Amino acid sequence: ELKVEQNPLFLSMQEGKNYTIYCNYSTTSDRLYWYRQDPGKSLESLFVLLSNGAVKQEGRLMASLDTKARLSTLHITAAVHDLSATYFCAVDGSEYGGSQGNLIFGKGTKLSVKP
Amino acid sequence: EPEVTQTPSHQVTQMGQEVILRCVPISNHLYFYWYRQILGQKVEFLVSFYNNEISEKSEIFDDQFSVERPDGSNFTLKIRSTKLEDSAMYFCASKRTGGAGELFFGEGSRLTVL
Repeated sequence: ELKVEQNPLFLSMQEGKNYTIYCNYSTTSDRLYWYRQDPGKSLESLFVLLSNGAVKQEGRLMASLDTKARLSTLHITAAVHDLSATYFCAVDGSEYGGSQGNLIFGKGTKLSVKP
Repeated sequence: EPEVTQTPSHQVTQMGQEVILRCVPISNHLYFYWYRQILGQKVEFLVSFYNNEISEKSEIFDDQFSVERPDGSNFTLKIRSTKLEDSAMYFCASKRTGGAGELFFGEGSRLTVL
């Protein structure tokens, strides 16, 4: 069974602090996706990591991918309240391989940044 | 910026009734998807659609579900006889050919089955 596991599932941070969310997966997928979801809203694409060693940064968020360890991290630097949301990682789960769009999502990490 | 649009945003129905959820994918995208998210849980793949046919479907997508692209712009999900456990947020998504493979999701349709 294909699995995507995130930890922690809940994260309460103070503004200005740093933290890392971890995403482990069991497939041999060579790409990984990070999405953000605000309460009651849609999923917003944050990063697509396309190969081993890929690192992408946008503002206070930086994502990396280690396909050998089947691990991706989402690092938050100097958190601000606006980053409060649920963050999902996902990998391709298609039986046909490649990026078919059949994504397997983790359970999500609910991040709460407090002043 | 182009976006995926979904209607209705919220639908309340009685158990056993048929429901149709509608989506307008991004215009130059060729791959279309439905996902669902039961309240507080993870997002689950239902079905993918390309070239006017289903590409893949999950175990959740049983005989009570169907999808259709009735014209050049709409993509619909029909649930024939709704059950209580069908209550969820249903997200439509689309993807273009090539690129990084990311999906663009709509705002979702919340289905409540009573």
